[in-house]
Amino acid sequence: DTAVSQTPKYLVTQMGNDKSIKCEQNLGHDTMYWYKQDSKKFLKIMFSYNNKELIINETVPNRFSPKSPDKAHLNLHINSLELGDSAVYFCASSLGAGDAFFGQGTRLTVV
Amino acid sequence: GDSVTQMEGPVTLSEEAFLTINCTYTATGYPSLFWYVQYPGEGLQLLLKATKADDKGSNKGFEATYRKETTSFHLEKGSVQVSDSAVYFCALSEGAAGNKLTFGGGTRVLVKP
Repeated sequence: DTAVSQTPKYLVTQMGNDKSIKCEQNLGHDTMYWYKQDSKKFLKIMFSYNNKELIINETVPNRFSPKSPDKAHLNLHINSLELGDSAVYFCASSLGAGDAFFGQGTRLTVV
Repeated sequence: GDSVTQMEGPVTLSEEAFLTINCTYTATGYPSLFWYVQYPGEGLQLLLKATKADDKGSNKGFEATYRKETTSFHLEKGSVQVSDSAVYFCALSEGAAGNKLTFGGGTRVLVKP
C-alpha cells in the first residue's frame, strides 16, 4: 500500500487551463502539505493543512487553491496556468513533528 | 526567517569513498533537523533526524550530529555505494512555524563504480 499517493504523475497542459492534482494518505496523519520543487531542485512549502484546516499559506498566488475534504485528502487546484507554474509538486503528510512522508510527485509542464 | 544552507554539488565519488555533505542553518528557535534523500524520479524519503543539540541521527550507514554551537548538521558516510547516488536535502522544522520543512538547496551525489 502506498502511504502517500498523488495523481497524476505527469501533467502536460496549455497556458490558461485549469488543472487539479489529487493527494491521499493512508497513514492516519493529521497534517498534510504541498511543496513545489523547481527545475533546480529547490523545494519550498506552499500550503499546510491540519485536520482539514489551513495552517500555512506561503505567499502562493491565489490561482492555487488547496482543498481538504477530509484529513486523508489534500487536493491542489490551479487556475489559469502559467509557464512559470511548471515544476514538480509534492504532497506530504506528517504527525506534526516535522518528519514527513512524501508522495512520488506530479511533474507539471505548462506549454 | 529560517534558512538552510548546504554545499552545492554535484559531488562525484568512487565507490567506498568517504562522503561529507555540509549543512548549516539559521533558526529563531530550537528546530529539529533532518536529512532527506531523493532518488531519481522519486519523492523524498527521510534518511535521518535529530531533535535536540548533540543528538546523532543515523540510518543506512549515514550519520549526522546536531551541533548547536556551530548551527550545523553535516551528513557523513564512511563508505559509499553506487546505490547512494541521489540528491540529499538538509532541512529544519520548527513547531512554532507549523512544522513545515525548510529545505536547503540539495546536493547531488554521484558514486562511480
